[in-house]
Amino acid sequence: KAGVTQTPRYLIKTRGQQVTLSCSPISGHRSVSWYQQTPGQGLQFLFEYFSETQRNKGNFPGRFSGRQFSNSRSEMNVSTLELGDSALYLCASSLNGQGRDTQYFGPGTRLTVL
Amino acid sequence: EDQVTQSPEALRLQEGESSSLNCSYTVSGLRGLFWYRQDPGKGPEFLFTLYSAGEEKEKERLKATLTKKESFLHITAPKPEDSATYLCAVDGLNDMRFGAGTRLTVKP
Repeated sequence: KAGVTQTPRYLIKTRGQQVTLSCSPISGHRSVSWYQQTPGQGLQFLFEYFSETQRNKGNFPGRFSGRQFSNSRSEMNVSTLELGDSALYLCASSLNGQGRDTQYFGPGTRLTVL
Repeated sequence: EDQVTQSPEALRLQEGESSSLNCSYTVSGLRGLFWYRQDPGKGPEFLFTLYSAGEEKEKERLKATLTKKESFLHITAPKPEDSATYLCAVDGLNDMRFGAGTRLTVKP
């Protein structure tokens, strides 16, 4: 069974631009969660989508948004990029979502904001 | 507020030298505690899920245990390939909260 895939793996943007990251979950998984990982803050929860609906949201500004498609693939968008948005963005998929079963992580997208 | 604290931050062991990693937590309504292993530049790899105090899980040289306030990841006779950052996460009523991790180095 193929694992969670994320594209692109690496991205370089400049301040003020916007970026879209993509995540394909494990086949059959309906939940996709997004996380930001930085050396200073560690892994922080962004949001969770289940069956195309946002089910849970972390404490991030509105510049961070996401969506999920009918095939469970998910995209995350960050608008008006700031230097502090440089991070590894991880997505995780699970069958039924947080609190219900295990999440499996993708390799991440390394975003660098210059 | 939900909190997860892992200790130590870093641990250096000789090959074969057993030790334990600690994850202490405060959470509203624990739904599950997870252990992950993360290698540099990669996403976390799932190791264990624990749901209730007293539960134990084992996999090769690793054993995870859970009490009402903390979890331990015991590493028995570690090998250099066990070197990685070990992350603990708790799933409560609010969201999934991760600890900062323990960076384990096993020297041959």
